Amino acid sequence: QQQVKQSPQSLIVQKGGISIINCAYENTAFDYFPWYQQFPGKGPALLIAIRPDVSEKKEGRFTISFNKSAKQFSLHIMDSQPGDSATYFCAASRVDSNDMRFGAGTRLTVKP
Amino acid sequence: ETGVTQSPTHLIKTRGQQVTLRCSSQSGHNTVSWYQQALGQGPQFIFQYYREEENGRGNFPPRFSGLQFPNYSSELNVNALELDDSALYLCASSLRLAGEETQYFGPGTRLLVL
Repeated sequence: QQQVKQSPQSLIVQKGGISIINCAYENTAFDYFPWYQQFPGKGPALLIAIRPDVSEKKEGRFTISFNKSAKQFSLHIMDSQPGDSATYFCAASRVDSNDMRFGAGTRLTVKP
Repeated sequence: ETGVTQSPTHLIKTRGQQVTLRCSSQSGHNTVSWYQQALGQGPQFIFQYYREEENGRGNFPPRFSGLQFPNYSSELNVNALELDDSALYLCASSLRLAGEETQYFGPGTRLLVL
């Protein structure tokens, strides 16, 4: 059932550094690609999302890069902060479908 | 906070029992999706309800069933619990509009089956 592969499984970054998380998908019908942030004991919270008609989307320190031909997309967190320490999930779905497929998650730790 | 609430927060059951989990969707939302999140994994889609009808189902057996009520709140029922059902159960609400599918998650119910 897993159609979205996420890497790395865990990531340690120094404060102020850039965190990069990658995802690859299989189903070319996917047309909505969100990233979710999850803190312990909480549900996932939408961080940023992109559609395949653009190659990049930036919101504050968070940027999604999208490569349609390679079927890959990535999350870049600039100037990473200890408060960004959380688990990040990429996901993919189709506009006409209700089945959102999630990656396995990346546990990010930002050291002070 | 998303405005999506779930109850209970934690639950312990024994194998073979039945469980009902509840979700109140965000105000104005008409669609509720349920996900199972095993420890260390991403959420897996169980099913979705739109206007009180099941509107799609993931790879889960029929002992996983649900309901959506006229106020768009929802229940997830699991019969004949198995040890592997131990997980965090998440509901997510959304507003079904053309081209809009942002889902807002609740905090989840952590179920432990002994």
